[in-house]
Amino acid sequence: DGGITQSPKYLFRKEGQNVTLSCEQNLNHDAMYWYRQDPGQGLRLIYYSQIVNDFQKGDIAEGYSVSREKKESFPLTVTSAQKNPTAFYLCASSNTRMGPQPQHFGDGTRLSIL
Amino acid sequence: QKEVEQDPGPLSVPEGAIVSLNCTYSNSAFQYFMWYRQYSRKGPELLMYTYSSGNKEDGRFTAQVDKSSKYISLFIRDSQPSDSATYLCATNAGGTSYGKLTFGQGTILTVHP
Repeated sequence: DGGITQSPKYLFRKEGQNVTLSCEQNLNHDAMYWYRQDPGQGLRLIYYSQIVNDFQKGDIAEGYSVSREKKESFPLTVTSAQKNPTAFYLCASSNTRMGPQPQHFGDGTRLSIL
Repeated sequence: QKEVEQDPGPLSVPEGAIVSLNCTYSNSAFQYFMWYRQYSRKGPELLMYTYSSGNKEDGRFTAQVDKSSKYISLFIRDSQPSDSATYLCATNAGGTSYGKLTFGQGTILTVHP
């Protein structure tokens, strides 16, 4: 089945540690996105990428980094500079070749601090 | 002021009720409107997608957009316990910013038997 796979489902970070969240899609979508979801705040955009080897900061990029070496993959690293990383992280993708299209989401990774 | 404001709820209704979920937005450049449903510990699932004023119907769901008032609504008829979830409205301006969705805060809906 086509879809977006995020792993792991749960992740724990120690102080001063970088952690990487995986996102893979087999929908052949050009664009991929990372969001952070906190209770009562909806989704906030961290980074997005419209093509391979290119990505742009979203509204809350500080303390995060991404790479887009393959069309199917868009990993997110939460660095030690992100002081409040506890949240639900969602990856999405969309097909942009036929104009604006809605985004489709994975089932998220819940990150907590040890 | 947030660009998209959504009634946070929570909303609790009996099974079979008609549910109305609402959002307002401030940016007149927004052209595309979506409603997502999110179950607990899951990612959002697209319910409705529209880019014009008026109504769009899909089964028990009707999305309504009024661009003159900058108001969007989702109606659920004959609500079921399985409709219990968080509902998120989202919008974007199209053009070069088509990748950037702006979300409302989400409305938590509970449908009780």
